[in-house]
Amino acid sequence: EAGVVQSPRYKIIEKKQPVAFWCNPISGHNTLYWYLQNLGQGPELLIRYENEEAVDDSQLPKDRFSAERLKGVDSTLKIQPAELGDSAVYLCASSWGSGATGELFFGEGSRLTVL
Amino acid sequence: KQEVTQIPAALSVPEGENLVLNCSFTDSAIYNLQWFRQDPGKGLTSLLLIQSSQREQTSGRLNASLDKSSGRSTLYIAASQPGDSATYLCAATRREDYKLSFGAGTTVTVRA
Repeated sequence: EAGVVQSPRYKIIEKKQPVAFWCNPISGHNTLYWYLQNLGQGPELLIRYENEEAVDDSQLPKDRFSAERLKGVDSTLKIQPAELGDSAVYLCASSWGSGATGELFFGEGSRLTVL
Repeated sequence: KQEVTQIPAALSVPEGENLVLNCSFTDSAIYNLQWFRQDPGKGLTSLLLIQSSQREQTSGRLNASLDKSSGRSTLYIAASQPGDSATYLCAATRREDYKLSFGAGTTVTVRA
């Protein structure tokens, strides 16, 4: 069974440029998460989807970050414009069930460097 | 807000020694607790998930215990091997809002 797939794995951009990350969750998982992880820290939730609905986006900086999950499967996270402080690893995860109650499966992450 | 703490931040042990990793959380009203492993430059791999009604969960050389009343979970890794070298993170799901909060992790080095 394929795991959570993320792309790109690495992205280097200059500040003020836009960037987008894509995630394909495990087949059948209705809940999808985007996390941000800084070096030496645990992941921090940006947004959680249940099917197509964003049920928790309280930590998403909505002035520059946006996300969508069309048809309740794949998801895209966008940053526009990127700032130096956005350099981090963006992790996508998926699980089965409502709330963050199921076992989480993570992708390899997308490492963003903003110059 | 749930605060999850993992101490120590790093430890180094000789091969064969048993590992004991600690995780503490401030809100004992949790739905479940998960332990993950993260290798450098990789995503997180789920190791064990303990439901709030359980006291422990086992998988091979791994055993995780949960004491909600004291706000603690412990991950035991028996007979450590160099391949166990990684960062281990715990995460607690709060029952009130189903928010999952992660600790910063403990980085383990097993010396051959």
